[in-house]
Amino acid sequence: RKEVEQDPGPFNVPEGATVAFNCTYSNSASQSFFWYRQDCRKEPKLLMSVYSSGNEDGRFTAQLNRASQYISLLIRDSKLSDSATYLCVVNGVTDSWGKLQFGAGTQVVVTP
Amino acid sequence: NAGVTQTPKFQVLKTGQSMTLQCAQDMNHEYMSWYRQDPGMGLRLIHYSVGAGITDQGEVPNGYNVSRSTTEDFPLRLLSAAPSQTSVYFCASSYTTSTDTQYFGPGTRLTVL
Repeated sequence: RKEVEQDPGPFNVPEGATVAFNCTYSNSASQSFFWYRQDCRKEPKLLMSVYSSGNEDGRFTAQLNRASQYISLLIRDSKLSDSATYLCVVNGVTDSWGKLQFGAGTQVVVTP
Repeated sequence: NAGVTQTPKFQVLKTGQSMTLQCAQDMNHEYMSWYRQDPGMGLRLIHYSVGAGITDQGEVPNGYNVSRSTTEDFPLRLLSAAPSQTSVYFCASSYTTSTDTQYFGPGTRLTVL
């Protein structure tokens, strides 16, 4: 079983619509959670960290559900520029430095 | 700041050849790491370093060596290339730990024939 699992998509979203997707993680002791964005053939870049209380950054909202071991990302008012692959990232807990576990990504395609 | 730089951008090797992928950062970051990304799989950690002179293995270290003689540089050496090492390789750095924001280089696309 993968440590971090994501629906690969693609999620085809009309411009202006809302899209949401989840990521599940297997290690209940994980403490840090992130969403990274990766454009086609480019490097990943941090989109946002995910806090226990949930957090918003403009049109993006991230939630953490520890009981069910998943995090979610919601994008409101989708823009064409939101088309990308969204990587769920969870830290390992084997040592204080942590080792990040990456999901394979969820592809979002925003259409005009 | 240039951020994280990687060279080369593309490389084709024959089975058995060796080569070094270069990675450098100018942000004075302590934590540096190497990942490989294959289709349908998440990034997998190869090796990482928490500071000059300190390195450790990640999830998929076999066939790769690293060293960290300076804070800025973290080269990845392929000892004897195999087709299974065909992948996109990303170097990343962060301030002190893996849970700080990771800054990735542009990647090296490696093909082993």
